[in-house]
Amino acid sequence: DVKVTQSSRYLVKRTGEKVFLECVQDMDHENMFWYRQDPGLGLRLIYFSYDVKMKEKGDIPEGYSVSREKKERFSLILESASTNQTSMYLCASRNTGGGGQPQHFGDGTRLSIL
Amino acid sequence: SQQGEEDPQALSIQEGENATMNCSYKTSINNLQWYRQNSGRGLVHLILIRSNEREKHSGRLRVTLDTSKKSSSLLITASRAADTASYFCAIQGGKLIFGQGTELSVKP
Repeated sequence: DVKVTQSSRYLVKRTGEKVFLECVQDMDHENMFWYRQDPGLGLRLIYFSYDVKMKEKGDIPEGYSVSREKKERFSLILESASTNQTSMYLCASRNTGGGGQPQHFGDGTRLSIL
Repeated sequence: SQQGEEDPQALSIQEGENATMNCSYKTSINNLQWYRQNSGRGLVHLILIRSNEREKHSGRLRVTLDTSKKSSSLLITASRAADTASYFCAIQGGKLIFGQGTELSVKP
């Protein structure tokens, strides 16, 4: 089974801090994704990556950056955390394949910015 | 909006009953996927149906797709308390876009 591991289930940080959320997958997937999930807004794509050192903006990239130095690891960075970034953050990975492939999710990080 | 719209938003049934959730969308798609999310956890992929398929089964799950009506349904037969979760459809044209989800509660 594919395993996507997010480094923290719960995280509390202060406004203005630089925050790192880490995600590791063990299935050699090319594609990795970061979403945030908020009540009433569903899942929104922040950034994604199709390969090492590649990154693409999703729908809501403002205030975030990402890093993918190794294939298995995709990091989400909040450059200067703000209270409106309090949310559930979900990482996912997906294999590249014809006909569509499912995304495999980690358990999420519930981030609170005080 | 490109995202799938799910109906109902919430559904409460008794164990043993069937649960049906619907998803409608507006754009053309390559495939449509269904996911489950238990409270406080990540999403788990359930089933993927391609645009040229009309029906797929996986255990107690049955998914239909009607591309002429731009709609899909997920049927869970003989539901169990452990099926209590949120269920999301996700449409794939280019990106994968998730709906708002249906909260299913199965009472023992």
